Amino acid sequence: AQSVTQPDIHITVSEGASLELRCNYSYGATPYLFWYVQSPGQGLQLLLKYFSGDTLVQGIKGFEAEFKRSQSSFNLRKPSVHWSDAAEYFCAVGLSNFGNEKLTFGTGTRLTIIP
Amino acid sequence: NAGVMQNPRHLVRRRGQEARLRCSPVKGHSHVYWYRQLPEEGLKFMVYLQKENIIDESGMPKERFSAEFPKEGPSILRIQQVVRGDSAAYFCASSPPKRPGGAFFGQGTRLTVV
Repeated sequence: AQSVTQPDIHITVSEGASLELRCNYSYGATPYLFWYVQSPGQGLQLLLKYFSGDTLVQGIKGFEAEFKRSQSSFNLRKPSVHWSDAAEYFCAVGLSNFGNEKLTFGTGTRLTIIP
Repeated sequence: NAGVMQNPRHLVRRRGQEARLRCSPVKGHSHVYWYRQLPEEGLKFMVYLQKENIIDESGMPKERFSAEFPKEGPSILRIQQVVRGDSAAYFCASSPPKRPGGAFFGQGTRLTVV
């Protein structure tokens, strides 16, 4: 069964600083990988996704993520964070076949931005 | 974004009552997924449905929980005889058929059992 690990429960970053959120997955086949963001009391918004091809994926809001098969990682990065980026971030892995996009989520990383 | 619509947004039930959560998928999406998020945890898959069919219910508790996605109307997640441990946020997601693109999530229903 697939699993996702987000080792950092809570990260605090200064506004304007760079950000990297870690995600490691365990899955036997080629994974579909996703990053979602959840603001307090809200649903999940898709930031970016990886299916195949270029291992560096660009997403919305200036985020990017790099798929590293050798490390089973899909870390999320942003060169300069804004106060509005404070939220909960979830990494997820999906099945690599069509028809069932059931996702397995990590436990999330809460991002706090300080002035 | 005429996205996934869930209602109600907040639901309070007393122990032993029934909870009905509704989800209208994005227009044209025929796949619906339900997830549960317990406090301070990530989302856990519950069930995957297509119109009139349950495809994967491997994450559903064996008792008191049921889900449907009828030919007409929204998908319904039903919890009978709720207990305090059912208090959680329940999210619905939808996706189009035959195109993996990442599911679209609704804003969730926050169920509180008192």
